[in-house]
Amino acid sequence: DIQMTQSPSSVSASVGDRVTITCRASQGISSWLAWYQQKPGKAPKLLIYAASSLQSGVPSRFSGSGSGTDFTLTISSLQPEDFATYYCQHAGTFGQGTRLEIK
Amino acid sequence: EVQLVESGGVVVQPGGSLRLSCAASGFTFDDYAMHWVRQAPGKGLEWVSLISWDGGSTYYADSVKGRFTISRDNSKNSLYLQMNSLRAEDTALYYCAKDITHGGSYFEIDYWGQGTLVTVSS
Repeated sequence: DIQMTQSPSSVSASVGDRVTITCRASQGISSWLAWYQQKPGKAPKLLIYAASSLQSGVPSRFSGSGSGTDFTLTISSLQPEDFATYYCQHAGTFGQGTRLEIK
Repeated sequence: EVQLVESGGVVVQPGGSLRLSCAASGFTFDDYAMHWVRQAPGKGLEWVSLISWDGGSTYYADSVKGRFTISRDNSKNSLYLQMNSLRAEDTALYYCAKDITHGGSYFEIDYWGQGTLVTVSS
């Protein structure tokens, strides 16, 4: 089975900061990767699919890149509403999550 | 507007059975594969199962294979999860979710319900 490893597991940042979250697959997965945002008590929300395609309605400060085994989610300028937990996913495997906290 | 509304979550004893349901609206249900994804309290997301648009193909996480059965009724725009031989570790919020791909699946999910809570406890 393919394992998905996210890093860091948590990160503290300030409004306006640029933040990058990494997801590594245990073997090549082409561009079959999605990123989700989850806020406490809410269902996850799709941000990025096919590694770099922005889901409709998602702000352009979110971007995804990568292919093969290494992927990144970048938030170019953090907004207050971006503090949440982020998950990558390939097929039936989610990463363990990255909690983005306010510094 | 896409809506997914889960129901059926309750407290059940270990070894018991339960059937979850999901009512879908706002999209052409029989054009899309559907998923169940769960989240144990305070934990991350765990994909559980996928069914193709026509019900002809089903997939399961190893943790539930042989115990859970996913099904759908396209005439009722409904998705189901039959859960047997339940264990304490099955305790979680169960989400019904819609695949993003028309007529197929790359496991990418664009809509989620709000979840139904299953608690397995004696």
